Amino acid sequence: GAVVSQHPSRVICKSGTSVKIECRSLDFQATTMFWYRQFPKQSLMLMATSNEGSKATYEQGVEKDKFLINHASLTLSTLTVTSAHPEDSSFYICSARRLAGGYNEQFFGPGTRLTVL
Amino acid sequence: TQLLEQSPQFLSIQEGENLTVYCNSSSVFSSLQWYRQEPGEGPVLLVTVVTGGEVKKLKRLTFQFGDARKDSSLHITAAQPGDTGLYLCAGPRNQFYFGTGTSLTVIP
Repeated sequence: GAVVSQHPSRVICKSGTSVKIECRSLDFQATTMFWYRQFPKQSLMLMATSNEGSKATYEQGVEKDKFLINHASLTLSTLTVTSAHPEDSSFYICSARRLAGGYNEQFFGPGTRLTVL
Repeated sequence: TQLLEQSPQFLSIQEGENLTVYCNSSSVFSSLQWYRQEPGEGPVLLVTVVTGGEVKKLKRLTFQFGDARKDSSLHITAAQPGDTGLYLCAGPRNQFYFGTGTSLTVIP
């Protein structure tokens, strides 16, 4: 299967600081990547769709100025949580879309655990 | 509103029992994927179903896509503790949406 990496795997930061999370597709090119947020024992909630070379598409209720997304290349998307606060603490997961056999498949990164003190 | 509803939400069974997880939607999907996720890790793709009525088997796991491509099921035979995890169905529309999830615990 395809491999997607995320960095860092976990980060602890002080309230008010900004945190950048990287998502890379290691063995395929991804014109589209997705960012999700997940709370314990719950499903993944889509935050935004990251498109290479264009602006991200945010889901309703997600602040685009709070969660900055950049998709600079076909293998890299970044999510920056700006001026983080304790309520931003969560598990953030990215995925990269690959077209295979005429249909789309999603491959997920291992996630980033963000803790804001 | 959740596009994909899963049931049950939580399931705790004894080792050796069989179980079925359902994924339902009012919308038609071109394909559906099933994932398994362990705590602190990203979801891992188990299978993709594409054709209405399709059945795919992965060892003790059997996946079925509904004839109308609006629903899918996952059946596990003789569950083992290693099957414990969060099972998620997901499907592409303009974006890629996940089901509500089923948290499975298999007790030794």
